Amino acid sequence: EVQLVQSGAEMKKPGESLKISCKGSGYSFISYWIGWVRQMPGKGLEWMGIIYPGDSDTTYSPSFQGQVTFSADKSIFTAYLKWSSLQASDTAMYYCARRYCGGGRCLNAFDIWGQGTMVTVSS
Amino acid sequence: DIQLTQSPSFLSASVGDRVTITCRASQDISSYLAWYQQEPGKAPKLLIYGASTLQSGVPSRFSGSGSGTDFTLTINSLQPEDFATYSCQQLYSYPQTFGQGTKVEIK
Repeated sequence: EVQLVQSGAEMKKPGESLKISCKGSGYSFISYWIGWVRQMPGKGLEWMGIIYPGDSDTTYSPSFQGQVTFSADKSIFTAYLKWSSLQASDTAMYYCARRYCGGGRCLNAFDIWGQGTMVTVSS
Repeated sequence: DIQLTQSPSFLSASVGDRVTITCRASQDISSYLAWYQQEPGKAPKLLIYGASTLQSGVPSRFSGSGSGTDFTLTINSLQPEDFATYSCQQLYSYPQTFGQGTKVEIK
């Protein structure tokens, strides 16, 4: 079964660091980009950025540039989203999702999504 | 950044109704548009990509159309499981922004 499995819910205090993960299975991990999407409570989807696990090529949304860091370890089929210093405003559900790009063509969508990781930041 | 504006933001409909949701882009995005369905407490699910191609496994009552700046998601004969929030996304350029979402509720 093709799936992205994310790490579990986190409760953190302001100023703490955090790294959440997204593990792919059932497909060629390096044939797909991994995107990260934020959904604040009761709000819509926000595109944070995207990483290619093959060479860690990364693009961040200007809204998130400098606030988070993406990384990937292709040997264990896992992508990561990291914060160095969390703020209360980072409280949200975070999704990873994959997008196929190969042979000069890309699927114009995220076709598989992780189940989401809820991050709660509170003192 | 390309802005996507969905309308309406909320709609109330009955089982069996035909529902149309629009997504307008702030600039030409060709056919680089996807539609997603999100049920409460669940991850988004891909319905349509390339503006009009139905994702495998998605019921044929869902259809997408449009190109350039104006796009439409249509649900023919709304079913109980279709009551959810629908979002569009452009993949024409970074950042690959989403619309604000349209919540479809039971009348």
